[in-house]
Amino acid sequence: DAGVTQSPTHLIKTRGQQVTLRCSPISGHKSVSWYQQVLGQGPQFIFQYYEKEERGRGNFPDRFSARQFPNYSSELNVNALLLGDSALYLCASSLASRLWNTEAFFGQGTRLTVV
Amino acid sequence: KNEVEQSPQNLTAQEGEFITINCSYSVGISALHWLQQHPGGGIVSLFMLSSGKKKHGRLIATINIQEKHSSLHITASHPRDSAVYICAVWTNTGNQFYFGTGTSLTVIP
Repeated sequence: DAGVTQSPTHLIKTRGQQVTLRCSPISGHKSVSWYQQVLGQGPQFIFQYYEKEERGRGNFPDRFSARQFPNYSSELNVNALLLGDSALYLCASSLASRLWNTEAFFGQGTRLTVV
Repeated sequence: KNEVEQSPQNLTAQEGEFITINCSYSVGISALHWLQQHPGGGIVSLFMLSSGKKKHGRLIATINIQEKHSSLHITASHPRDSAVYICAVWTNTGNQFYFGTGTSLTVIP
């Protein structure tokens, strides 16, 4: 059984560009959440989606957006990239919408470098 | 000030030692998670707690809701336990998920 898959694994973008990151959850999981982890720090929560609806949002600017598709896969979009957006972007999937009492399964992440 | 604070930041132990990692939080929570992150980024969920104590193999996690504190214990530590251990809390208002900065554990054979 495939785990959570993220693509691409690595990405280099130029400041000001836009980027789209993709996540495929574990089969049967309807919830996808996104996290940003800057080197040397803990992850920061960006979004949670369940059944194609946004269920939670962290303290990130409007340059960050996401969506979930009917097959429960998800995309994270970041516009007008800044150098500070360089980070590991993690996706996690879970069965239910309640992140607080559901085990989350993480992907390996997409490492984004903005130059 | 971070909503979630972990201590220590770094920890080196000899194989076989008993290890404790602490997590304190300042917000009201629905649940607390302990996560393990290996070099390269992969994260594994270890525990999810809303009260009391949970045990899985050599790992034990406890939480005291009144004191807003949780501990992760590793008994008979092994070099394969070397990783970063992260505490995360889901708030009971506002649908926010806050993470600590992690405790980097190195277990020496």
